[in-house]
Amino acid sequence: GNSVTQMEGPVTLSEEAFLTINCTYTATGYPSLFWYVQYPGEGLQLLLKATKADDKGSNKGFEATYRKETTSFHLEKGSVQVSDSAVYFCALSLPGNTPLVFGKGTRLSVIA
Amino acid sequence: NAGVTQTPKFQVLKTGQSMTLQCAQDMNHNSMYWYRQDPGMGLRLIYYSASEGTTDKGEVPNGYNVSRLNKREFSLRLESAAPSQTSVYFCASSPGTGTGELFFGEGSRLTVL
Repeated sequence: GNSVTQMEGPVTLSEEAFLTINCTYTATGYPSLFWYVQYPGEGLQLLLKATKADDKGSNKGFEATYRKETTSFHLEKGSVQVSDSAVYFCALSLPGNTPLVFGKGTRLSVIA
Repeated sequence: NAGVTQTPKFQVLKTGQSMTLQCAQDMNHNSMYWYRQDPGMGLRLIYYSASEGTTDKGEVPNGYNVSRLNKREFSLRLESAAPSQTSVYFCASSPGTGTGELFFGEGSRLTVL
């Protein structure tokens, strides 16, 4: 079946550190890939997306590249801030009437 | 610019009581969803509605019913609440089910004693 596997958290970093959150997927067909972010006390919101192999999604200093050969979509940011503390979800979508498939989420805490 | 609105935001129930969570979206989206979020479990899909007039089970539908009242509204009902249904519930909507871009409400925190 279709699934998303994320690195388990929590991840704790100092401000200005480099961030990587790993995400790999299993899918029948050619998925679109997404990263969602959930700030404390809020619902999820879309952070970035990529719809085909080798595409790079980017937003708010975060980037992720769709790697079909390794079935991965790792999230990176060069210099994290305290305000980036949140839970990050990787997800995939397949064409047709099938809902989004989410990973279990990775909690990031950034300390000053 | 409301987006997706859920009510209530907080609710405490006793085992066996019933309640309905309401959700409305003002973005003219076709698809709507109900998820629950539990520590260590991520988001799990309860039910979804790909379009007005249709509903389908997700990963964890037992103990829940849904109604797609019209294009804007999608309600989730617990007929006989159990402590295992203590969770944070999120409603979401999207232009269609295959698009991947979901818009979420702020969540409803339900405690069943």
